[in-house]
Amino acid sequence: DIVMTQTPLSLSVTPGQPASISCKSSQSLLHSDGRTFLNWYLQKPGQPPQLLIYEVSNRFSGVPDRFSGSGSGTDFTLKISRVEAEDVGVYYCMQNIHVPPTFGQGTRLEIK
Amino acid sequence: EVQLVESGGGLAQPGGSLRLSCAASGFTFSNYEMNWVRQAPGKGLEWVSYISISGSIIYYADSVKGRFTISRDNAKNSLYLLMNSLRAEDTAVYYCVRRLDNWGQGTLVTVSS
Repeated sequence: DIVMTQTPLSLSVTPGQPASISCKSSQSLLHSDGRTFLNWYLQKPGQPPQLLIYEVSNRFSGVPDRFSGSGSGTDFTLKISRVEAEDVGVYYCMQNIHVPPTFGQGTRLEIK
Repeated sequence: EVQLVESGGGLAQPGGSLRLSCAASGFTFSNYEMNWVRQAPGKGLEWVSYISISGSIIYYADSVKGRFTISRDNAKNSLYLLMNSLRAEDTAVYYCVRRLDNWGQGTLVTVSS
């Protein structure tokens, strides 16, 4: 199985400041069709996960543009340009190029 | 609006069975692959099973293979997960997930004597 490793596991950010989460995969997530199958999710307290970013850098419907994704191969980053109070929760990266799809351990974001 | 509503969770004894259902609405269910993903209390996310649009392609996590069965009824816009030989480690919230984009609210399964 592909292992997804996120860092840091927690971060505390002042509102209006940026935040960044790293995700590394144990194998390349680049498909032969040129797409890279790396998603980012946010699970707000008491809610199911919600998709933020798919295929590395594509924002899902309704996701604010302060969220952006980047990376290639095995190294990926989620950035929040200006953190807001509603961004609190646990962020997960996930690969779905190989079965089984696997998730990172999660990164807990809290507001200072 | 996409809606996925899970049901069928509850308390089961070790070795027992439960059948989860997911009622889909707000989209053309028969056009989408579906998944079950679970989350043990206080833990991270674990993918459980996948089913293709027609139901002809199915995958399972090793942890549930041989015990769980995924199925779908496109005429009823419904996804199912039959869980047999339940273990304590199957205790989790089970989410119905369209493709890997939209998630239901989840249903809690507790396996305990």
